[in-house]
Amino acid sequence: AQSVSQHNHHVILSEAASLELGCNYSYGGTVNLFWYVQYPGQHLQLLLKYFSGDPLVKGIKGFEAEFIKSKFSFNLRKPSVQWSDTAEYFCAVNAPGSGTYKYIFGTGTRLKVLA
Amino acid sequence: NAGVTQTPKFRVLKTGQSMTLLCAQDMNHEYMYWYRQDPGMGLRLIHYSVGEGTTAKGEVPDGYNVSRLKKQNFLLGLESAAPSQTSVYFCASRRGGPGELFFGEGSRLTVL
Repeated sequence: AQSVSQHNHHVILSEAASLELGCNYSYGGTVNLFWYVQYPGQHLQLLLKYFSGDPLVKGIKGFEAEFIKSKFSFNLRKPSVQWSDTAEYFCAVNAPGSGTYKYIFGTGTRLKVLA
Repeated sequence: NAGVTQTPKFRVLKTGQSMTLLCAQDMNHEYMYWYRQDPGMGLRLIHYSVGEGTTAKGEVPDGYNVSRLKKQNFLLGLESAAPSQTSVYFCASRRGGPGELFFGEGSRLTVL
């Protein structure tokens, strides 16, 4: 069965610090990968996605993620965080080749950015 | 364009009561999903549907039933609510083929 691991549950950074959130998945075949963000009191919104091609994916608000197939990883990065990036971040995987239409989410990383 | 709309947004139930959460999408999406979100556990898939008239179980289906009688609507039912079902419920939808999920704003359910 597919699974997604997010190793950092809580992260606290000062403004302008660099961010990297880890995401690892378990599935040997082709995957579609996503990062979602949930601002306080809001629903999940897509930050970026990877289907194929260039493993370095750029998303909204200056976020990017790198797909490393050999490590089954899809880490999220941002060079300089802002106070407004305070939110919870979820990694998700979909494995279309497995015959399932499920999207499996990690447990989330709660980021707090100090002004 | 409303996207994905969930009703109600808040509800308090007593143990043993029943209720239905409605999810409606206006994007003509084929696939629809119900997730529950609990602190420290992320989003867990309850049930999903790959088209009108079809439903399938997710990771945590026990205690819930679903129906997709119309393409635009996906209903989540609790026949006999339990305190363990206190959670925030999110509906999501997506078009066919590879693509992202579009989420509703969530429904906060408290079971006393």
